[in-house]
Amino acid sequence: DARVTQTPRHKVTEMGQEVTMRCQPILGHNTVFWYRQTMMQGLELLAYFRNRAPLDDSGMPKDRFSAEMPDATLATLKIQPSEPRDSAVYFCASGLVGRTSGSIEQFFGPGTRLTVL
Amino acid sequence: AQSVTQLDSQVPVFEEAPVELRCNYSSSVSVYLFWYVQYPNQGLQLLLKYLSGSTLVKGINGFEAEFNKSQTSFHLRKPSVHISDTAEYFCAVSGVTGGGNKLTFGTGTQLKVEL
Repeated sequence: DARVTQTPRHKVTEMGQEVTMRCQPILGHNTVFWYRQTMMQGLELLAYFRNRAPLDDSGMPKDRFSAEMPDATLATLKIQPSEPRDSAVYFCASGLVGRTSGSIEQFFGPGTRLTVL
Repeated sequence: AQSVTQLDSQVPVFEEAPVELRCNYSSSVSVYLFWYVQYPNQGLQLLLKYLSGSTLVKGINGFEAEFNKSQTSFHLRKPSVHISDTAEYFCAVSGVTGGGNKLTFGTGTQLKVEL
């Protein structure tokens, strides 16, 4: 049963600390998305990668957030330093896009619930 | 760029009654449309998608949606809901471009099924 996995599932930290969230996409998928979900803003796309290369990170605060794919099986989202307003659920999703095909189904992970005190 | 409007933030309905969750979109290009469901403390799961072809799309759990290009709508329907359908439902849109594209989500509709 192929699934997107995310760790940790829950994280409580203090303001100013570094937070790293990890995502393992479904094996064979070439596109990875990072979303943030809050009550006020709903689902926001932060960044996404195709074949490990960043395609769009315009939704991400550049001064404190960074997203990487060190290899095809791991995507990371880091916040440094974290702030209380970063408290949210962060979702990773993966999918497979062909050279000529259009939009794809995105498979979501269970999310990381982040609380910054 | 695309946008999605889900006018109803909450929809209460009695079990075994029909339900319709509304979704309207805006786009300057052709679109793909999706409905996702989110159960409490879980990620999003795809219910159904419209890519091309028949405008009536059937999905999982007895849900269906109809793409109406003239009204720029993609409303989700179920003829008889169950308690287990209680969840948040998100409509999403993507522009049709080669190589795939990112999704823009609506603000979600909370469906609450009551006995």
